[in-house]
Amino acid sequence: NAGVTQTPKFQVLKTGQSMTLQCAQDMNHEYMSWYRQDPGMGLRLIHYSVGAGITDQGEVPNGYNVSRSTTEDFPLRLLSAAPSQTSVYFCASREQNGANVLTFGAGSRLTVL
Amino acid sequence: GENVEQHPSTLSVQEGDSAVIKCTYSDSASNYFPWYKQELGKRPQLIIDIRSNVGEKKDQRIAVTLNKTAKHFSLHITETQPEDSAVYFCAARDTGNQFYFGTGTSLTVIP
Repeated sequence: NAGVTQTPKFQVLKTGQSMTLQCAQDMNHEYMSWYRQDPGMGLRLIHYSVGAGITDQGEVPNGYNVSRSTTEDFPLRLLSAAPSQTSVYFCASREQNGANVLTFGAGSRLTVL
Repeated sequence: GENVEQHPSTLSVQEGDSAVIKCTYSDSASNYFPWYKQELGKRPQLIIDIRSNVGEKKDQRIAVTLNKTAKHFSLHITETQPEDSAVYFCAARDTGNQFYFGTGTSLTVIP
């Protein structure tokens, strides 16, 4: 049981490049989400999904796309990276009902030059 | 949407002293309040939580209190140890089942 797995751990992009942050969980959690963490800003919700085929926007969705084709995977796409997207990104999952414990991945540090 | 404010942003205490971190929330319907600890370079991990029908919860050296009327909740760490040094985040879950986090408190325990 690996929990929540994120790749890559580190990435450097140039402005305008695209990339996908991968997130996978093996706990059969229906709910998955992406947060970004910036100094002094805490953790802010980007997008979330309550099940395969269902996604919705969080607090700061602009510039990011997501999809949820399987229960296990929830990739985050940056179509045209901007320096303002330099951040640490965390994927988190939990059961949709019942226990509310968010389980976080190890994080992906993204730098956009 | 829900708005969670957290204070202080930094906190330094001597080993053995107590530390208190406070959070307020805006949505009176929020019903679940977890606290996460994030060590340097690591992922946030749940350390304690409290539901809206409970006023206080304790787990060894850590405790959380909730005042629903005032819409604030606090984390109390007693007999602090150097390994308690970390960033602590409070959060509130709204009726839409979304979690909103505070901006974090960097706690340093001085040996």
